[in-house]
Amino acid sequence: TQLLEQSPQFLSIQEGENLTVYCNSSSVFSSLQWYRQEPGEGPVLLVTVVTGGEVKKLKRLTFQFGDARKDSSLHITAAQPGDTGLYLCAGSTQGGSEKLVFGKGTKLTVNP
Amino acid sequence: SAVISQKPSRDICQRGTSLTIQCQVDSQVTMMFWYRQQPGQSLTLIATANQGSEATYESGFVIDKFPISRPNLTFSTLTVSNMSPEDSSIYLCSVPSGKTRYEQYFGPGTRLTVT
Repeated sequence: TQLLEQSPQFLSIQEGENLTVYCNSSSVFSSLQWYRQEPGEGPVLLVTVVTGGEVKKLKRLTFQFGDARKDSSLHITAAQPGDTGLYLCAGSTQGGSEKLVFGKGTKLTVNP
Repeated sequence: SAVISQKPSRDICQRGTSLTIQCQVDSQVTMMFWYRQQPGQSLTLIATANQGSEATYESGFVIDKFPISRPNLTFSTLTVSNMSPEDSSIYLCSVPSGKTRYEQYFGPGTRLTVT
């Protein structure tokens, strides 16, 4: 069974602070995605990374895929209350399967 | 992007009863996925539902407990049968984005509480 471990599980910070969330596995993934989920809603895709070492930026969010395609990180600069939510990483197995394996998520709270 | 709706959005049910959750997509899709999100846990794939064929269940999930219907390319149902408190969870349906094989769009989820 392929597992994705996310850390930290909970994070509470003040507006304007920076933070990094990690997603690690012992398995290699053909792609890795980050989703954000808000209460009462389904996860919404933020980004997909597919190439080892790839870095993608989405406004104040920076996503990185590890060189060995076993881990990823999400860095948020100058966090805002609107960034509050559950951040989930999800991996697609080798071969580009449609099936996704999800981490448990990082629950982020940004206090004004 | 696909717009996905689920009914009901939430329900409280007694143990031993069954609940059918509906998932409606605004476009035709070949595959639909059903997930369970238990408190503090990952999203776990229950099954993949293809139109015109039997659903494919993941390890730990069986058709008798979670029967799935897929009558057409825009609709699916998941039934949670003979419920117990351990079935309390959020149930989500999703569909492939169509842009890649692995990106998915999710419905808003159905929050089920079993008493």
